[in-house]
Amino acid sequence: EAGVTQFPSHSVIEKGQTVTLRCDPISGHDNLYWYRRVMGKEIKFLLHFVKESKQDESGMPNNRFLAERTGGTYSTLKVQPAELEDSGVYFCASSLRQGWNYGYTFGSGTRLTVV
Amino acid sequence: DAKTTQPNSMESNEEEPVHLPCNHSTISGTDYIHWYRQLPSQGPEYVIHGLTSNVNNRMASLAIAEDRKSSTLILHRATLRDAAVYYCIPKVSGNTPLVFGKGTRLSVIA
Repeated sequence: EAGVTQFPSHSVIEKGQTVTLRCDPISGHDNLYWYRRVMGKEIKFLLHFVKESKQDESGMPNNRFLAERTGGTYSTLKVQPAELEDSGVYFCASSLRQGWNYGYTFGSGTRLTVV
Repeated sequence: DAKTTQPNSMESNEEEPVHLPCNHSTISGTDYIHWYRQLPSQGPEYVIHGLTSNVNNRMASLAIAEDRKSSTLILHRATLRDAAVYYCIPKVSGNTPLVFGKGTRLSVIA
């Protein structure tokens, strides 16, 4: 099966600009997660979709971040306006079900650099 | 959330077995123990998970202590491709997302 696909793989934008990251989960996976790692820090959870609904967005840093998952398929994460501290690698993951017994499949990430 | 303690780094010779320890003394009875790894420039990758018994798959084995306060990920023959950061993650509840700690950076020497 195809894995989790993220694009772009890299993005360099200026402070104040807008960037949209996209994630295509594994087909049929209802659960979609966004994580990010900023330089020198741990991988942090941002939010979780179940189909098109936000189940948990407790990790979203502020209202400059907007995530959507229209139709319960692919998801986008928009940062507007971008700040320097938003630089990092953004990972998307999907899983078939929630639950202790289900693992996540991660994409390769989008490396965002805000200059 | 259950806290984990892992060594910051470990080193192994190629083709030798590697035992990566994890202490999770605050784990509850229903938390599964998941292991993920992150290879350079890639996203995290699922390795293995278990609840009470030891588990084996094509990638690794997971040995869980009887009291469940610790576990050990076993790579039977380390290869250069196994050089990665390994994360031990108690999955706290069915709906709670994975929480990554600092992990153990494994270096494999040819």
